[in-house]
Amino acid sequence: DSGVTQTPKHLITATGQRVTLRCSPRSGDLSVYWYQQSLDQGLQFLIQYYNGEERAKGNILERFSAQQFPDLHSELNLSSLELGDSALYFCASSRDLQETQYFGPGTRLLVL
Amino acid sequence: AQSVTQLDSHVSVSEGTPVLLRCNYSSSYSPSLFWYVQHPNKGLQLLLKYTSAATLVKGINGFEAEFKKSETSFHLTKPSAHMSDAAEYFCVVSVPTSGTYKYIFGTGTRLKVLA
Repeated sequence: DSGVTQTPKHLITATGQRVTLRCSPRSGDLSVYWYQQSLDQGLQFLIQYYNGEERAKGNILERFSAQQFPDLHSELNLSSLELGDSALYFCASSRDLQETQYFGPGTRLLVL
Repeated sequence: AQSVTQLDSHVSVSEGTPVLLRCNYSSSYSPSLFWYVQHPNKGLQLLLKYTSAATLVKGINGFEAEFKKSETSFHLTKPSAHMSDAAEYFCVVSVPTSGTYKYIFGTGTRLKVLA
């Protein structure tokens, strides 16, 4: 158990809908990262937050957004969902910017 | 540009035989390197990391990796495979970028352990 928690574990929804994925980092970790893992594209970095502020952006679509709250938990919002958004979404956290990332168990999203 | 290449997409070994998963990296900086393991339908678990201390790094579950700067390699080994080692393994390099650090993942090596 890495200490990073993600909810929900599974999510099934329809095209066009909006969902919110939640991540609680390890106690004391300031940085949160979001990744998408799909069969065709592998592991893709989406976005990073550090102490409440966006720090880096990766291959995140405009339909997706995220934020990190004062208590350091983070949410990833996915809107106007498409079939191709079906994937495993991972959150990771680290103590500081250069520290090792610890991954949560992931949220499996299925868009029908 | 920084990159990681995992040389084998699939590796099969018999239980009790050695495991070798190969990783080459390219980095302009002194790299931080990691190996993570992902069991089916699970998150990524840190196996070990290299951060410029000892070149031979010991990790969990009997795995170790050797950093070889001259060969730009960071291969993962285990003397004796166990059935529970069957999983996907990712080699990762951490690189500085725009005031932070980001992970660059290899494409993964799926390890199959035969009884």
